Amino acid sequence: GESVGLHLPTLSVQEGDNSIINCAYSNSASDYFIWYKQESGKGPQFIIDIRSNMDKRQGQRVTVLLNKTVKHLSLQIAATQPGDSAVYFCAETVPGPNAGGTSYGKLTFGQGTILTVHP
Amino acid sequence: DGGITQSPKYLFRKEGQNVTLSCEQNLNHDAMYWYRQDPGQGLRLIYYSQIVNDFQKGDIAEGYSVSREKKESFPLTVTSAQKNPTAFYLCASSITGGAYEQYFGPGTRLTVT
Repeated sequence: GESVGLHLPTLSVQEGDNSIINCAYSNSASDYFIWYKQESGKGPQFIIDIRSNMDKRQGQRVTVLLNKTVKHLSLQIAATQPGDSAVYFCAETVPGPNAGGTSYGKLTFGQGTILTVHP
Repeated sequence: DGGITQSPKYLFRKEGQNVTLSCEQNLNHDAMYWYRQDPGQGLRLIYYSQIVNDFQKGDIAEGYSVSREKKESFPLTVTSAQKNPTAFYLCASSITGGAYEQYFGPGTRLTVT
């Protein structure tokens, strides 16, 4: 059925704090996960990705943690800045029906979390 | 300057008219995608194409049509059969249809009255 959620989860932090954004994914067979940042009126921007054979991956100021046991993904942003204010989406892909289970690239997006950083 | 372009940024149409949204990429990507985003919600997949001259329906394909005659272009037509067409439409591409990052265009905001 269609999602009718009109109230996104929100996270408010002070500039310089660390932020943690959480995501519960739906399919235990998902093998690839991405975090995107979307500013108002713009397309999503890639932040970081992780494959299911890993449980942690670090980028510049960001870390993604994957807990397959509880189907949970988190994005940690260090020293959050006002420019980090945006909506953050997690997305997952599941293996397709091809031989070897190659993912066919269909991303399923979560509802998103609004991050507001106060100066 | 490589990337994905969508035009126009804002589009207004009267109810009952078909409208075509443009999406072009110069990244030499094989796979392209169309998503719809409504206020306060995530992205929902309309159609995707893993290779030229081939495309598949996504989760909400009713009332939409696409074509993939060229690798770099994947236009989306919103037909009059789409019951609630007003939305923000996003095009994306990836190097292949596997589990890889999708690059998004800036989006087209369609308003139908």
